Amino acid sequence: QVQLVESGGGVVQPGRSLRLSCTASGFTFSAYAIHWVRQTPGKGLEWVSLISYDGGNKYYTDSVKGRFTISRDNSKNTLFLQMDSLRPEDTAVYYCAREIYSGDSVSHFDYWGRGTLVTVSS
Amino acid sequence: DIQMTQSPSSLSASVGDRVTITCRASQSISRYLNWYQQKPGKAPKLLIYAGSSLQSGVPSRFSGRGSGTDFTLTISSLQPEDFATYYCQQSYSTPTFGQGTKVEIK
Repeated sequence: QVQLVESGGGVVQPGRSLRLSCTASGFTFSAYAIHWVRQTPGKGLEWVSLISYDGGNKYYTDSVKGRFTISRDNSKNTLFLQMDSLRPEDTAVYYCAREIYSGDSVSHFDYWGRGTLVTVSS
Repeated sequence: DIQMTQSPSSLSASVGDRVTITCRASQSISRYLNWYQQKPGKAPKLLIYAGSSLQSGVPSRFSGRGSGTDFTLTISSLQPEDFATYYCQQSYSTPTFGQGTKVEIK
């Protein structure tokens, strides 16, 4: 069955770095675009970043541009999010989610991981 | 960014009730609208995509309608396992989510 498992979260001081991983199984990882979505009690669900199936295209929400880098290793079925210069407002549960398209080209997230908690605090 | 506004933010209902949640987009998004259910401590689960298409495995008591800027999610007969928070999400442009509607037991 399709599974996405995030790891790498933890407590980190402001200004430091953290790298999240998302390991996929049960499907052809290299055929799908994958997103990072985060969730905080205050701001709800927020899209963070997208990487195309082959890693050739990457997109970020404005608040993380220049600080976060998304990448993937299709040989290891793994997605990464390198988070640098972390801020307290980056505190959230981070989910990876698989993107799929309906017959009429509407994209949606059909599988999500269980999330990993990142806490940025001194 | 396209803003998504859900109403109500929360509601109380009883088992067997018909429940409707509304989602409004700040501009037209055609049918690029998806609905998710989330239970505490769990990841969101896809219920409806493209406005009205039921995701495989989701009970038929869930239905979605709408296009343009106004959308609804209806649960025809609320079951105990349906008490959760529901989110809409647009995929017309950079994904954005509604703030959520918490469905609680009356």
